[in-house]
Amino acid sequence: NAGVMQNPRHLVRRRGQEARLRCSPMKGHSHVYWYRQLPEEGLKFMVYLQKENIIDESGMPKERFSAEFPKEGPSILRIQQVVRGDSAAYFCASSPRDRGRPAFFGQGTRLTVV
Amino acid sequence: SQQGEEDPQALSIQEGENATMNCSYKTSINNLQWYRQNSGRGLVHLILIRSNEREKHSGRLRVTLDTSKKSSSLLITASRAADTASYFCATFVRGAQKLVFGQGTRLTINP
Repeated sequence: NAGVMQNPRHLVRRRGQEARLRCSPMKGHSHVYWYRQLPEEGLKFMVYLQKENIIDESGMPKERFSAEFPKEGPSILRIQQVVRGDSAAYFCASSPRDRGRPAFFGQGTRLTVV
Repeated sequence: SQQGEEDPQALSIQEGENATMNCSYKTSINNLQWYRQNSGRGLVHLILIRSNEREKHSGRLRVTLDTSKKSSSLLITASRAADTASYFCATFVRGAQKLVFGQGTRLTINP
């Protein structure tokens, strides 16, 4: 049973380009969370999704950032017109259901904006 | 602001000693979870303690929860070099739908 898979592991984008981060949850998990982590800091919640629904996007910037979790395929975190401040590690986690079950994390995507 | 705050921010001890990390939070919770993160890697779930529990053990880990003080502690006994990592507490806030993480404690075990 494969764990949470994120790709790419490393992504380099020039300012103004789009970054697309993918997350495949564990088999049987229908809940996905995205977090951002700056060096030497904790994880900042961005968005919580269930299949085809955004449940909580209170941590996601209103502009340039969007997330989806379609019925088929991975969850996608999209950052449009990236800026240097978007450089960070982005982690995806999945759980089988909500109400505080332990989450399983992917290895993260390290985005560098040059 | 973050729901969970760990203390200390960094801890360096000798192999074999016990390591204690603390976490404080602000609002009512359903449960509190501890995770470990090795440098450059994802987070690994260690232990979950429910709001109606006071203490929980898992191997060399011991977690306590004091809901009246809104605090938790993680004790790692007989530390090993492989325990070197960052440790985060995360709370599942009552009524919310997400895990909120603290800033973490960076633990270094010196051989």
